[in-house]
Amino acid sequence: AQKITQTQPGMFVQEKEAVTLDCTYDTSDPSYGLFWYKQPSSGEMIFLIYQGSYDQQNATEGRYSLNFQKARKSANLVISASQLGDSAMYFCAMREDSGNTPLVFGKGTRLSVIA
Amino acid sequence: EPEVTQTPSHQVTQMGQEVILRCVPISNHLYFYWYRQILGQKVEFLVSFYNNEISEKSEIFDDQFSVERPDGSNFTLKIRSTKLEDSAMYFCASTIGGISSYNEQFFGPGTRLTVL
Repeated sequence: AQKITQTQPGMFVQEKEAVTLDCTYDTSDPSYGLFWYKQPSSGEMIFLIYQGSYDQQNATEGRYSLNFQKARKSANLVISASQLGDSAMYFCAMREDSGNTPLVFGKGTRLSVIA
Repeated sequence: EPEVTQTPSHQVTQMGQEVILRCVPISNHLYFYWYRQILGQKVEFLVSFYNNEISEKSEIFDDQFSVERPDGSNFTLKIRSTKLEDSAMYFCASTIGGISSYNEQFFGPGTRLTVL
């Protein structure tokens, strides 16, 4: 069974600094996708970044990058140059096999950016 | 940019009442999902829907839940007899579908259900 583990319930970072949010996963399927979502206090789920299990390079999207270490089954999110608007819950999620199976989410990490 | 919409944004109901949560997925998407998030907890999968039938459901999705696509645009989640523990944020999501593990699921803004 799929499992996503986010071990940091809360993180603090100084504005303009970089921060890494940890995510480890467990799957026996060789084909899977990893996703990060941001959930601000307003509640909506905002897609940030995707990494496929067969992708050779780490994904990047603007200030977001994914540190994908396949052998360690980790997919950490790195946010560079943190901004006050980055304060939110961040969820790691995984989907096995095809793009139609449901996402399995971790418990999330609450990031607080301090001025 | 196309988006998933959900109505209402917030629904308050009495225990034992029926509620219907509505979603309009993105028009060319083929797979639809309902997830729920109890306050302060992770997002949990409820059910997926394709070609007018349920393709997968979780243990949470018991007999009190049902889904329907009554017309070409709406996708609904019905809770027949609400319980206090049904209080949660309910998210609808849709994806265009395909064999790649990347098919971004577009989430709606959610409906916050409060059962009193």
